[in-house]
Amino acid sequence: GNSVTQMEGPVTLSEEAFLTINCTYTATGYPSLFWYVQYPGEGLQLLLKATKADDKGSNKGFEATYRKETTSFHLEKGSVQVSDSAVYFCALSVKGQGAQKLVFGQGTRLTINP
Amino acid sequence: NAGVTQTPKFQVLKTGQSMTLQCAQDMNHEYMSWYRQDPGMGLRLIHYSVGAGITDQGEVPNGYNVSRSTTEDFPLRLLSAAPSQTSVYFCASRPVGGTQPQHFGDGTRLSIL
Repeated sequence: GNSVTQMEGPVTLSEEAFLTINCTYTATGYPSLFWYVQYPGEGLQLLLKATKADDKGSNKGFEATYRKETTSFHLEKGSVQVSDSAVYFCALSVKGQGAQKLVFGQGTRLTINP
Repeated sequence: NAGVTQTPKFQVLKTGQSMTLQCAQDMNHEYMSWYRQDPGMGLRLIHYSVGAGITDQGEVPNGYNVSRSTTEDFPLRLLSAAPSQTSVYFCASRPVGGTQPQHFGDGTRLSIL
């Protein structure tokens, strides 16, 4: 089956630190990969996506590269800000297997201290 | 641009009560889905719909019913609430085709006593 495993949180960093949140997946087909962010009291927002191997998704200073050989999609940011404090979800969907079905990781809570 | 609108935002029920969580989208999206979010478990798919008149079960459908009489609305019904259904519920929609991302509502926090 399809599944996503994320690095366990919570993660606490100081402002301007380097961020990595690990995400690995298993999929029976050719997945598209996503990172969603959930700010306190809000729904999930798409942060970035990649649809095929070696694609790099990027947005708001965050990046993630689709690595088929390691089945990974790690989220990185070079210098985090307090406003990046949120819960981050890695997710996948597989074309042809009901692309509307997102499979989520368990989420990683990130707190950035000033 | 309203996007995906969920009501209510908060609700407390007693065991055995019924209620309907409302979800409406104004983007003319074909696909709509309901997820529940529980601590340490991410989001899990309850039911989904690929268009008006068509619904199907997701990963955790037991205890929930859905219908899709219009493109815009996708209500989720709890017929007899149980404490295990205490959760945060999210509705999402997306257009058909390709790898379009899902758009999420702000959620409904439901507590069953």
